[in-house]
Amino acid sequence: KAGVTQTPRYLIKTRGQQVTLSCSPISGHRSVSWYQQTPGQGLQFLFEYFSETQRNKGNFPGRFSGRQFSNSRSEMNVSTLELGDSALYLCASSLFVAKNIQYFGAGTRLSVL
Amino acid sequence: SQQGEEDPQALSIQEGENATMNCSYKTSINNLQWYRQNSGRGLVHLILIRSNEREKHSGRLRVTLDTSKKSSSLLITASRAADTASYFCATARQGGSEKLVFGKGMKLTVNP
Repeated sequence: KAGVTQTPRYLIKTRGQQVTLSCSPISGHRSVSWYQQTPGQGLQFLFEYFSETQRNKGNFPGRFSGRQFSNSRSEMNVSTLELGDSALYLCASSLFVAKNIQYFGAGTRLSVL
Repeated sequence: SQQGEEDPQALSIQEGENATMNCSYKTSINNLQWYRQNSGRGLVHLILIRSNEREKHSGRLRVTLDTSKKSSSLLITASRAADTASYFCATARQGGSEKLVFGKGMKLTVNP
């Protein structure tokens, strides 16, 4: 089975712009979670989607949003980018629920200038 | 806030030595998992231990769980340079939301 695929791998944006990141989970996995990883804050949970519905949400501003499609692929969007949004964004999929074993993609490295 | 806290935050050892990492958490859990991350890459699942288990083995890995102390340890035996990575514990709260909460991680360096 193919693993979790995240695109793009690297992104450079400027403040005020918006960005969309994509995640294709492992075939058959219905739960997709997103995380932000920074040196200072570590791995922070953004949100989890299951069957196109957001099931859990972390403590992030409304500028961070996501969605899941009927084929379980997921996108996350960050609007009005700030310098502090520079981070590695990780997507993980699991079979049914996020508390099960999670399989991570390689991440998207976002740099905001 | 982070549920798990790894200790120590950084560890440097020689190849062949054993490495022990500890994780403490605050609430009752359903399971505890350990993950490894090579520099700037995604996390890789290592082992999952359920709240009713006390010890689990996988190859050179041994995980223990003490729910009375709310702590877990990960032992890597006969370490190799390829074990150099960051290690994270993650907990799934019992009865709570079903997301995993990750600790800040611990950097292990294995010197050849």
